[in-house]
Amino acid sequence: GAGVSQSPRYKVAKRGQDVALRCDPISGHVSLFWYQQALGQGPEFLTYFQNEAQLDKSGLPSDRFFAERPEGSVSTLKIQRTQQEDSAVYLCASSPGQGAGQPQHFGDGTRLSIL
Amino acid sequence: QKEVEQNSGPLSVPEGAIASLNCTYSDRGSQSFFWYRQYSGKSPELIMFIYSNGDKEDGRFTAQLNKASQYVSLLIRDSQPSDSATYLCAVGLSGGYNKLIFGAGTRLAVHP
Repeated sequence: GAGVSQSPRYKVAKRGQDVALRCDPISGHVSLFWYQQALGQGPEFLTYFQNEAQLDKSGLPSDRFFAERPEGSVSTLKIQRTQQEDSAVYLCASSPGQGAGQPQHFGDGTRLSIL
Repeated sequence: QKEVEQNSGPLSVPEGAIASLNCTYSDRGSQSFFWYRQYSGKSPELIMFIYSNGDKEDGRFTAQLNKASQYVSLLIRDSQPSDSATYLCAVGLSGGYNKLIFGAGTRLAVHP
């Protein structure tokens, strides 16, 4: 597709359930990022992939958060045993290269609500 | 803790005026700077990026960077009601890949 695609757009889950969020980056983009955006705040970095390698996961809030990109294209962010504080918009972004200074292009995000 | 600071606003300007949005950052080694526009309920949309000190113009938008003062700004000329949105400043941290730190955003309201 032409842009970054994320699914589902909206996800409602009960506390304690596991959820999986999908990101399909722009074709050929090497770098993929996940961000979490709380209401009224800017996006906060979660994790970074260069192709299939997860090079930085320093922003993941806890060990309940797990991300993968096994074939270097589609990525999945999984949250286990969800908590109410996990409610946020989860944004995926990709960029063509791997170096600093590459503009990132965002998907429409997944709005996660934990009841 | 690397930080990016923005005035949350709202910044209210009349249609046709110049809107000036400001951002300061703490990582002195940062080399790349981005402005994103975000409409309510939508994803951030890249509108400008700048790497060197000085001004960079693109249509009605001008980004200004002063690395010595650790300051970056965005000017929007001939503001339109459709420019009403939240503007996010993002800074690429020094070293390695392009990890971005975002400010909380400035809400701009352009009134007719």
